[in-house]
Amino acid sequence: NAGVMQNPRHLVRRRGQEARLRCSPMKGHSHVYWYRQLPEEGLKFMVYLQKENIIDESGMPKERFSAEFPKEGPSILRIQQVVRGDSAAYFCASQRGGLMNTGELFFGEGSRLTVL
Amino acid sequence: QQPVQSPQAVILREGEDAVINCSSSKALYSVHWYRQKHGEAPVFLMILLKGGEQKGHEKISASFNEKKQQSSLYLTASQLSYSGTYFCGTEHSGTYKYIFGTGTRLKVLA
Repeated sequence: NAGVMQNPRHLVRRRGQEARLRCSPMKGHSHVYWYRQLPEEGLKFMVYLQKENIIDESGMPKERFSAEFPKEGPSILRIQQVVRGDSAAYFCASQRGGLMNTGELFFGEGSRLTVL
Repeated sequence: QQPVQSPQAVILREGEDAVINCSSSKALYSVHWYRQKHGEAPVFLMILLKGGEQKGHEKISASFNEKKQQSSLYLTASQLSYSGTYFCGTEHSGTYKYIFGTGTRLKVLA
């Protein structure tokens, strides 16, 4: 019974490179959230997706950041031309959705991005 | 609007009790509590759906006030394993996005 799977767990990029973070939700879950967390800080909402749809991306910077959740395959958070300020832990969480949804989120272990 | 938690941080000795509050300016559909240990992912603790609800989980329990604008998490006879950051979470009214409170850092000392 696999939980939420994120990879890579750690990613190092130089300024200007691209970072791609992947998230496979729990089996049966159709909703995916992405959050950013800086050290010793809270969980900042970035984007909420359902299969093939972006429901709410109000927490995503307008430039350089994009997210998708295709019909097949994992959700991907893409950061283009990374800058040092993008260094953070990025958590993905999945939610069941539908009539059986009680709302709680199940988190992956996070992807820790370091920009040199 | 992000729910506000208080206190921001608390230090306890083993066996002491603590209360963490989560307040919103608007009524919440539901409230969830999570604990995040350092360097780990947040873990779901419990959910409260109804105004006036109280729920327990071993020595950790929570309440949701009648107006559904405040929830409290009660930690009784704290253990070292309770250390971490506690977050309340909720679905933001009218937008469906899921947001977290400001967080409360709890440290239990031997």
